[in-house]
Amino acid sequence: KAGVTQTPRYLIKTRGQQVTLSCSPISGHRSVSWYQQTPGQGLQFLFEYFSETQRNKGNFPGRFSGRQFSNSRSEMNVSTLELGDSALYLCASSLVWDPGHSGANVLTFGAGSRLTVL
Amino acid sequence: QKEVEQNSGPLSVPEGAIASLNCTYSDRVSQSFFWYRQYSGKSPELIMSIYSNGDKEDGRFTAQLNKASQYVSLLIRDSQPSDSATYLCAVFKGGYQKVTFGTGTKLQVIP
Repeated sequence: KAGVTQTPRYLIKTRGQQVTLSCSPISGHRSVSWYQQTPGQGLQFLFEYFSETQRNKGNFPGRFSGRQFSNSRSEMNVSTLELGDSALYLCASSLVWDPGHSGANVLTFGAGSRLTVL
Repeated sequence: QKEVEQNSGPLSVPEGAIASLNCTYSDRVSQSFFWYRQYSGKSPELIMSIYSNGDKEDGRFTAQLNKASQYVSLLIRDSQPSDSATYLCAVFKGGYQKVTFGTGTKLQVIP
């Protein structure tokens, strides 16, 4: 069974540019969450999508956006890149995001996309 | 106050010893609790989940949950050098809430 696939794995951008990261969840997983990981802040929640709807959003500026397609694949975009956006961006999928299944929100992470902003 | 707090470590234990990792959380409505292991340069992987008070054992790993004290712990018995990693505690409040992670505890198992 294929895991969570993230592309690209590594990328280098300069300040002011924009970037789009892609995530393909495990087959059958409808929820996709995005996290930013930096040495100082740990894993910070960006947003979560379920059935093409953003259900939750973290405390990040509007430069960070995302979407989910009908096949559950998700993309996130960061516009007007800043040096502080350098981080590992992790996508995680889960089987179901359902208020009645509290234990079902077990996240499986992809390998991550490491973004360096120069 | 952070939602999920962990001691950043490093926690150093000799090979074969018991490693004890601790985590506290701030919101009493939290329902599900997870421990993830993250090797350097890799992504987090789930090692334990626990949903009710008490202990849950899986091989050399035991997760302990005390909701009254808002405390979760992970015990690793017979620690091996391959257990050297950062251990992330994660908490889920249920519903449409996000999974919140602590900043992790770095464990070093000394041969």
